Amino acid sequence: DQQVKQNSPSLSVQEGRISILNCDYTNSMFDYFLWYKKYPAEGPTFLISISSIKDKNEDGRFTVFLNKSAKHLSLHIVPSQPGDSAVYFCAASAFNNNDMRFGAGTRLTVKP
Amino acid sequence: DVKVTQSSRYLVKRTGEKVFLECVQDMDHENMFWYRQDPGLGLRLIYFSYDVKMKEKGDIPEGYSVSREKKERFSLILESASTNQTSMYLCASRRATETQYFGPGTRLLVL
Repeated sequence: DQQVKQNSPSLSVQEGRISILNCDYTNSMFDYFLWYKKYPAEGPTFLISISSIKDKNEDGRFTVFLNKSAKHLSLHIVPSQPGDSAVYFCAASAFNNNDMRFGAGTRLTVKP
Repeated sequence: DVKVTQSSRYLVKRTGEKVFLECVQDMDHENMFWYRQDPGLGLRLIYFSYDVKMKEKGDIPEGYSVSREKKERFSLILESASTNQTSMYLCASRRATETQYFGPGTRLLVL
C-alpha cells in the first residue's frame, strides 16, 4: 500500500513557464516532507523540504506548498529551465520514525 | 559534504548466485537504508538500520537480507538472485530527523 502517491508519471512544460508537481499522502502521522530530484544513472539529491508546522517553504525558484487537511503537497518551479528536466520524487516521514516513504516519481521535461 | 558510496555502479549476475551490495557513508549517520527503484514504482524500501547490528524490514524485504557490523557500512545481500531482482539499488543514510543522502546507485542485471 503506497502511503505517498504521485499520480502523474510525467509532465512537460515550456522553458520559462511554471512547473507544478503534485503529491498526496495517506498517513496522517507524516510530519516532514521532502522533494528529491534524480538524473539518470545518479542517486536522488535533496531539493527542498517542509515540516508540518508550515504551509509553504521557498528556496529560489522552488516552492513547496503543504495542505495538511487535504494531505497534499506540491512543488512549484518558476521559471522552469531545461536543466530542471529530471525525475522528481516526493517523500514523507514521521517524527521519531526512522524510515521515509517515497512516491513513484514524476518525470519533468522542460522544453527549450 | 556527506558522501555515500556504493561498491559497484553496474553488476551482472546469474540466477541463483549470492550477491553482495556494499554501501559506506562517511558522516557518522545512525540510519542507513536500502531501496530499489523500478519504473512506475518509485523508490521502495527494502531494509533499514538505525544502529549497528540493528535492522528493520521495509516494504519489500523478501529475497533480501542485510548486515550492519560497523556504523559506516550497510550491506544488502541477495541470497539467491532471481531475474525479478533486476533493478537499480540505492543506498541512503541520515541522522535521526535530517535529510536523507543517497549513493549513486547500483544497476543490477540478473540473467
